[in-house]
Amino acid sequence: GESVGLHLPTLSVQEGDNSIINCAYSNSASDYFIWYKQESGKGPQFIIDIRSNMDKRQGQRVTVLLNKTVKHLSLQIAATQPGDSAVYFCAERGTGSARQLTFGSGTQLTVLP
Amino acid sequence: GAGVSQSPSNKVTEKGKDVELRCDPISGHTALYWYRQSLGQGLEFLIYFQGNSAPDKSGLPSDRFSAERTGGSVSTLTIQRTQQEDSAVYLCASSRIAGVGTGELFFGEGSRLTVL
Repeated sequence: GESVGLHLPTLSVQEGDNSIINCAYSNSASDYFIWYKQESGKGPQFIIDIRSNMDKRQGQRVTVLLNKTVKHLSLQIAATQPGDSAVYFCAERGTGSARQLTFGSGTQLTVLP
Repeated sequence: GAGVSQSPSNKVTEKGKDVELRCDPISGHTALYWYRQSLGQGLEFLIYFQGNSAPDKSGLPSDRFSAERTGGSVSTLTIQRTQQEDSAVYLCASSRIAGVGTGELFFGEGSRLTVL
């Protein structure tokens, strides 16, 4: 099964509202987490990252929160816009030799007018 | 180039045929990854190249899958005797270096493989 998973496969929000996308991970040894946005027909695009020694990081209109106690990651998008409609993936990087990212199955965010 | 380039963007093949998918990473990026994305699913790690080190092939699903990276740049993913379950989007990504805090991967737009 997936070592990184999402609580909700779909999320619909009104334009202008804030969005919160949640993600659970299972590898307590993961030291780095990334959120990616994938628009239809395109490759994933980096949004924001956070190291395991942090619990919050802010970007432009986005905030990532990390709760290592419950192995939970969330992405908050402020003032959601139509262009935010996409699939959002969280990914964790383990401590193996390849340090490759393990992705969850994604959440489809739909912004309603 | 400006970004990761993959070709072909779409490939339709018959079951049992071999296919080759190409990836041109961002110039100067030493790490290169191949992922597979089935419809509506997340990304499944396939293989990783870092500089001149031996590749990590731990994600390849079977011995029908192989990949090489020539000259530390262009990579080719080869699938032999394709099966219908190989149908997916194959994504290539590169990163400047592989290390803590530098995990940002730049993805190409993928090669969509359909096996009939």
